[in-house]
Amino acid sequence: GAVVSQHPSWVICKSGTSVKIECRSLDFQATTMFWYRQFPKQSLMLMATSNEGSKATYEQGVEKDKFLINHASLTLSTLTVTSAHPEDSSFYICSARVPGLASTGELFFGEGSRLTVL
Amino acid sequence: GQQLNQSPQSMFIQEGEDVSMNCTSSSIFNTWLWYKQDPGEGPVLLIALYKAGELTSNGRLTAQFGITRKDSFLNISASIPSDVGIYFCAGRNAGNMLTFGGGTRLMVKP
Repeated sequence: GAVVSQHPSWVICKSGTSVKIECRSLDFQATTMFWYRQFPKQSLMLMATSNEGSKATYEQGVEKDKFLINHASLTLSTLTVTSAHPEDSSFYICSARVPGLASTGELFFGEGSRLTVL
Repeated sequence: GQQLNQSPQSMFIQEGEDVSMNCTSSSIFNTWLWYKQDPGEGPVLLIALYKAGELTSNGRLTAQFGITRKDSFLNISASIPSDVGIYFCAGRNAGNMLTFGGGTRLMVKP
């Protein structure tokens, strides 16, 4: 089946630094990818929709200058948490729709990336 | 925005028991999806439902798309320890956006 891979799986950084998380579609091309954030024992919260070759669409309340998204190719989207602070610590998960299945809404998720900001 | 109410929030059951969880919404959805998330992992799709009234099975899992299109349930029969995890429902609306339920945390006693 379709595989979405994230890297790194976990990262610890100092407050004030920037962290980049990669999301790759391994066996299909994804024109659209989605970035979610998940706090402990909570559901997934959509942060933004990443569109290949154009600007990302951010959900209300998500700072676009804080969470930079780049979707430069059909198989790679990156999320950069800029000037990270402890409150940015969270589990970040990306997902993608397989072309042709978009109408069904089926999303395939990456493994997730746990960010801890000290 | 749309909200999904998923219940129960958590379940602690004995191995071998059947499990039932459901999601309800005040809005209509065109697709219902059920995902399972293991600790520290991303959600994995279990079952997808596309038509009102549809009943679909995947091994010991059975899910149904409510006839009103506002609800769905997931049943797990004869639970085993590896069923432990968080189960999420998700509904897709006419705008092709997914909304996730709050999750049901399942714990199984061997």
